[in-house]
This record gives sequence, C-alpha cells and structure tokens, in this order.
Amino acid sequence: GENVEQHPSTLSVQEGDSAVIKCTYSDSASNYFPWYKQELGKRPQLIIDIRSNVGEKKDQRIAVTLNKTAKHFSLHITETQPEDSAVYFCAASDDKIIFGKGTRLHILP
Amino acid sequence: DSGVTQTPKHLITATGQRVTLRCSPRSGDLSVYWYQQSLDQGLQFLIQYYNGEERAKGNILERFSAQQFPDLHSELNLSSLELGDSALYFCASSVVPDTGELFFGEGSRLTVL
Repeated sequence: GENVEQHPSTLSVQEGDSAVIKCTYSDSASNYFPWYKQELGKRPQLIIDIRSNVGEKKDQRIAVTLNKTAKHFSLHITETQPEDSAVYFCAASDDKIIFGKGTRLHILP
Repeated sequence: DSGVTQTPKHLITATGQRVTLRCSPRSGDLSVYWYQQSLDQGLQFLIQYYNGEERAKGNILERFSAQQFPDLHSELNLSSLELGDSALYFCASSVVPDTGELFFGEGSRLTVL
C-alpha cells in the first residue's frame, strides 16, 4: 500500500522567510496530492492540492511542486507570517488518501 | 464550520469497554472516511465508505468496525478498548472519493483510562 514520508517533522523559520516541506510517496499509481493545515486544537483543512498531470501549482504565497519520476512533492510558503504557524500534512492518493506524519511549522518573530 | 458533524466531542471510558463514534457527512457527500490522530502519529487512515459500501481499508484493528447507513451517516465502533486507543478520531467526507477535498469534522477525543 501507499506510504508517505514527510520531512522535516519540525521547522522554525523567521517571519518573512520561506518554508519548504518535502514529501515522498511509494505508490506510483497515486495521482492526487493534497496539503492540509491543522492549527492547534482545530481540524485539518485543505490549503492546496495538485494532480499528477501538473508539475507545479501556486496560490498566492503557497506553491506545490510535484516530481512524479522521483515520487516526491513539496510545499513552499513564501513571506511567512505568524498565522502560518501550524502543523502541515501532505497526502497521496490512489484508492485511499494516505497522510504523512506532519510538519510542525513555527514562525519566529 | 465544515458541515461534518461528529459526536461525542469528548469521551472518557475504561479499558475493556466499547464505544461508538458517530459522523454525519456534509449534505450531498457520499464518501466518508475515518482517521485516527495520536500524539505525533499524524493522521492514520482507518476506513472509507462510499454510498453505503466499504471502499478502502487501512490499518484498522480487528477490534474496530465501522459502517455507513442508508442516510449516509457513519459509525465507528471501538471495542475491548486499550490505553493505546486513546486518540482523536476524525471523520471526513468528500463529494468524490479519493481525489477531492476532504472536509473534516471537529473530531471525537477518546480517553481510555
């Protein structure tokens, strides 16, 4: 079955700098790659997703890249702000949506 | 508000007991998913239903079972509870299975003493 590895588990960046979170997946049949943000005590919410026929997608300060050959995808957050502090989960899906273990992002003032 | 309703929000019980967690999906969503979130363990996929039928199974223990009813609500049954079953159990729903946005409920926090 699908296995998703996510790195780093914790990331601290200075406010205004960029943050990058990386994920790899094992099942080459996976074709949908969403990213979810979970604020403390809240439910996960989708922030961006990408499908296998696209290599990159951007939404304001957030971008995701996908390399199907290498089976890895990444989340890029630019100009980080305090409200970006949260846990971020990547996921990969073929017949079920499997999540990575999450990255706790701290934005330092 | 995601439109997904989970009850109860909190549940405290003893080892060996059985509990039932309930989920009502967003109106119109046919797919329901259950995930377990333990400390530092991310979101572990348990099981998925689509329009009343089991569609995919993850690392769900034999002590756990679930079903989706004709009105599309779902229940997750956890039996012979152990301390390690303490976790936040999320239900999510989506319009299309596997390749669409998941809308999560607020979760049911289970504490086994």
